[in-house]
Amino acid sequence: DQQVKQNSPSLSVQEGRISILNCDYTNSMFDYFLWYKKYPAEGPTFLISISSIKDKNEDGRFTVFLNKSAKHLSLHIVPSQPGDSAVYFCASLNNNAGNMLTFGGGTRLMVKP
Amino acid sequence: DVKVTQSSRYLVKRTGEKVFLECVQDMDHENMFWYRQDPGLGLRLIYFSYDVKMKEKGDIPEGYSVSREKKERFSLILESASTNQTSMYLCASSQRTGRNSPLHFGNGTRLTVT
Repeated sequence: DQQVKQNSPSLSVQEGRISILNCDYTNSMFDYFLWYKKYPAEGPTFLISISSIKDKNEDGRFTVFLNKSAKHLSLHIVPSQPGDSAVYFCASLNNNAGNMLTFGGGTRLMVKP
Repeated sequence: DVKVTQSSRYLVKRTGEKVFLECVQDMDHENMFWYRQDPGLGLRLIYFSYDVKMKEKGDIPEGYSVSREKKERFSLILESASTNQTSMYLCASSQRTGRNSPLHFGNGTRLTVT
């Protein structure tokens, strides 16, 4: 059973609007969370992360929110740009289990001009 | 900038063939990983290595083996390719494991087994 789930396989947003990508996890031992972005024909690249001791981390247009009680995190992109069109993977890290990342299934974001 | 290079972008192999996927990183990273990416399943870890000649099974090692004879090179081997191994294969490296060492990925090898 998948421990990290991204329930929306795709999302379409108008340029300039907010994109919200969601991720749910089941393992309460996860204590660090990351988002990776993947363009076609390229490998994923690290985007932003958040520790379980925080509930928000911001980097420019990208903000990640963590709700530990709900085991839910989200990535907000404001304002969305056509160049943000990519597949976004959330990933979780269990510090007590070899520090291996567990990835979600990914969400394809399409930002329309 | 870290560079992770996968030797082939596309491969087509027949069922039963032995397949080698090669990966080289140029930043003297300790750790190297092989993932496969399938629609809806995200990235699943096949094998990883903390050091030369060292390997550990990931979540889906069945049907695969690996080799790490040199620090910079990590090979994934499909002993007898099957159609369910058709996938995108991604190699990654990191300086160390844990939160302060993000993975750096190669551009992937799309393998088709017919």
